[in-house]
Amino acid sequence: AQSVTQLGSHVSVSEGALVLLRCNYSSSVPPYLFWYVQYPNQGLQLLLKYTSAATLVKGINGFEAEFKKSETSFHLTKPSAHMSDAAEYFCAVTYGQNFVFGPGTRLSVLP
Amino acid sequence: KAGVTQTPRYLIKTRGQQVTLSCSPISGHRSVSWYQQTPGQGLQFLFEYFSETQRNKGNFPGRFSGRQFSNSRSEMNVSTLELGDSALYLCASSLDATGDQETQYFGPGTRLLVL
Repeated sequence: AQSVTQLGSHVSVSEGALVLLRCNYSSSVPPYLFWYVQYPNQGLQLLLKYTSAATLVKGINGFEAEFKKSETSFHLTKPSAHMSDAAEYFCAVTYGQNFVFGPGTRLSVLP
Repeated sequence: KAGVTQTPRYLIKTRGQQVTLSCSPISGHRSVSWYQQTPGQGLQFLFEYFSETQRNKGNFPGRFSGRQFSNSRSEMNVSTLELGDSALYLCASSLDATGDQETQYFGPGTRLLVL
């Protein structure tokens, strides 16, 4: 079965520090890949998506992600964390018409 | 363009009751998917509707059902509620112009509490 793993259910960084959230997927065929963010008591908001046009994808709020086929990874990064980045982040992959989400990583930003 | 809307936002029911949740997709979007989100299980896919037909289904019991109307609005129904059905129910819509699953846009969710 297709799956998405996110290493680290909880990540803490200091304000201004680098944010790195990991995502690995299981697939032999490059899929579509997404990162979503969920703030408390809200739905999911699309941060960015990869559709094979470019391996480095820039999203909203200063986030970007790099698709690495050899590593089956799609890690999310942001150079400098802001307090407002504290939220839960979900990596998702499409396989045809199926949308599979990872378990999520909760990001805490410390002052 | 208005986003995905879900009603109601909050709901309290008791065990054994049934509940209907509503989702209005973004205008022009033809695919509507439903997810259940709980702290223990994360985001779990319930089902997807496209052109009034259920196209995909997750691994949930038959107590969970849905439908889609000709205007793409969708409802999901849960009968004989159990305590474990307490969750945030998220609806997502996508354009689905190419036949492949495209970007999904999520509504704010309906938080259901079963007592």
